[in-house]
Amino acid sequence: TQLLEQSPQFLSIQEGENLTVYCNSSSVFSSLQWYRQEPGEGPVLLVTVVTGGEVKKLKRLTFQFGDARKDSSLHITAAQPGDTGLYLCAAPNYGQNFVFGPGTRLSVLP
Amino acid sequence: NAGVMQNPRHLVRRRGQEARLRCSPMKGHSHVYWYRQLPEEGLKFMVYLQKENIIDESGMPKERFSAEFPKEGPSILRIQQVVRGDSAAYFCASSPGVGSGANVLTFGAGSRLTVL
Repeated sequence: TQLLEQSPQFLSIQEGENLTVYCNSSSVFSSLQWYRQEPGEGPVLLVTVVTGGEVKKLKRLTFQFGDARKDSSLHITAAQPGDTGLYLCAAPNYGQNFVFGPGTRLSVLP
Repeated sequence: NAGVMQNPRHLVRRRGQEARLRCSPMKGHSHVYWYRQLPEEGLKFMVYLQKENIIDESGMPKERFSAEFPKEGPSILRIQQVVRGDSAAYFCASSPGVGSGANVLTFGAGSRLTVL
């Protein structure tokens, strides 16, 4: 099984601050996805990145896929309390299933 | 266009009883995945199924756990003789398997199992 690591594990910031969370692996992936999960709910897909070096923007969220397709980052600008949640990265695992990282638990305080 | 439907949302069982969790994938999706999530942890893969076939069950415990996705009806995750350690949230996800969205998972809201 290919493994994904995420950092930091926990992050608590004030509203309006910027932050970056990371997803790393020693394996090369054909694609990588970011999900956000809120308490009591299932994960919701935010973005899929496919090409090495790719940058995608979703409002205040910027996602980057590493050139070697082994890592990814998620940057949030001017965080808001509504951004609070568990951020998970996921990737296809030898095409058979999807492996998830342990997640970064973000808390944005008003 | 309903999403992935899971039921029950909450299930309480006593040790030794059986738990059955159901998942109806999104319309047009023929691939179903089951994941388990413990409190404050990420998602652990359990099993990947297509209609009438188990594709990958490498994450599923060898005993007491089974899964099926029949030709008609929902996918079912069955846990026999439950123990307290089975208490967790069980999430189902589906994907079309082919086409542009082949690798996109849509998750249900989960079934939360509590074993007393």
